[in-house]
Amino acid sequence: QQQVKQSPQSLIVQKGGISIINCAYENTAFDYFPWYQQFPGKGPALLIAIRPDVSEKKEGRFTISFNKSAKQFSLHIMDSQPGDSATYFCAARAGTGGFKTIFGAGTRLFVKA
Amino acid sequence: NAGVTQTPKFRVLKTGQSMTLLCAQDMNHEYMYWYRQDPGMGLRLIHYSVGEGTTAKGEVPDGYNVSRLKKQNFLLGLESAAPSQTSVYFCASRSSGGVQYFGAGTRLSVL
Repeated sequence: QQQVKQSPQSLIVQKGGISIINCAYENTAFDYFPWYQQFPGKGPALLIAIRPDVSEKKEGRFTISFNKSAKQFSLHIMDSQPGDSATYFCAARAGTGGFKTIFGAGTRLFVKA
Repeated sequence: NAGVTQTPKFRVLKTGQSMTLLCAQDMNHEYMYWYRQDPGMGLRLIHYSVGEGTTAKGEVPDGYNVSRLKKQNFLLGLESAAPSQTSVYFCASRSSGGVQYFGAGTRLSVL
């Protein structure tokens, strides 16, 4: 029940295309859903996050879509660029118990120039 | 403003040796976390702390110990290293707004 399932494991997209990464969760106590971006040799960094009271959040080329009834959320990267090539992690966090965050397994995105 | 600093960046240990990983944050955050990252498994929480002098177990605490004697520092110890502890270790601190800030990681190999 604590798992966050992420797919696909890897993704290759042409420059200018749309990258889509999907995640699903089981624990209805989760109340915060961040996405992290990680470049090789670096630590993860927060990219964008959403709370379950909204169905979509957009920041620049990055959009989170959230479906509370299906317990699924996804990251869309519009107009994907080679500089977006990185590993992306979805995550979920409950608001109690130390604010522990559960991470998905990650998606390695490669954007071809 | 350095954010979250981890030392060392790399380390090679022999089975049975001990070591301590240091995490320091200069953002006055109360919450701090230690994760390990393994291929195909994302980040898994080892231990965390909700404030100076407190620690708690995460998802994969066995074989590790932690201490938070000062608010800015969170130490992760391996008493008797095993090859299964070969991993990349990340420390993070959490702002009051809920954002986790990660260090650059420590690559540990246990032979």
